[in-house]
Amino acid sequence: LAKTTQPISMDSYEGQEVNITCSHNNIATNDYITWYQQFPSQGPRFIIQGYKTKVTNEVASLFIPADRKSSTLSLPRVSLSDTAVYYCPQGGGKLIFGQGTELSVKP
Amino acid sequence: GAGVSQTPSNKVTEKGKYVELRCDPISGHTALYWYRQSLGQGPEFLIYFQGTGAADDSGLPNDRFFAVRPEGSVSTLKIQRTERGDSAVYLCASSPRGWAGASIPYGYTFGSGTRLTVV
Repeated sequence: LAKTTQPISMDSYEGQEVNITCSHNNIATNDYITWYQQFPSQGPRFIIQGYKTKVTNEVASLFIPADRKSSTLSLPRVSLSDTAVYYCPQGGGKLIFGQGTELSVKP
Repeated sequence: GAGVSQTPSNKVTEKGKYVELRCDPISGHTALYWYRQSLGQGPEFLIYFQGTGAADDSGLPNDRFFAVRPEGSVSTLKIQRTERGDSAVYLCASSPRGWAGASIPYGYTFGSGTRLTVV
């Protein structure tokens, strides 16, 4: 399975909205799109998943266009504690992780 | 337990030795996954269990790596004749059930990992 593509790093400031986009060029018809967050010395933590259109939970929103070739994770009003690596793994079951996006939130 | 537990949290071993890494998944989760993660990289898939059987072991790098899950709960990853290149964080994850076609998947719950250092 080819890996997804996302920016290596992003910087933001507290209180801003952050959008991280992922390319899913090889997504399969049945695959859901999932996002994970990882802090140092911890395993990844499941954040959100969706199939198409928009999904929102208490942590983030996920936007998926009709062609499903990309997705955008939106984090509203980030804080310092949102500094982490964010992954959008490929696959519907056997998740294939890329390098992730290292988000740095500054005061 | 409340989460996925991995033991030990840290393991230092000498090159050529045998090691076992243990994973206790969330109670009732039938699917269990092993990944390994090197510094600055995303987790790399190793093996997936559905119940007691290995449904996909295509990520195991070579025959020095082996994993078991004899009773469908606890799993052990075994590495023979360790090499310095095996040094990494080994992550275990579980989910209520594995992938199944068009069914809505469950997110994985990962443990904190075992940091293996081969010297």
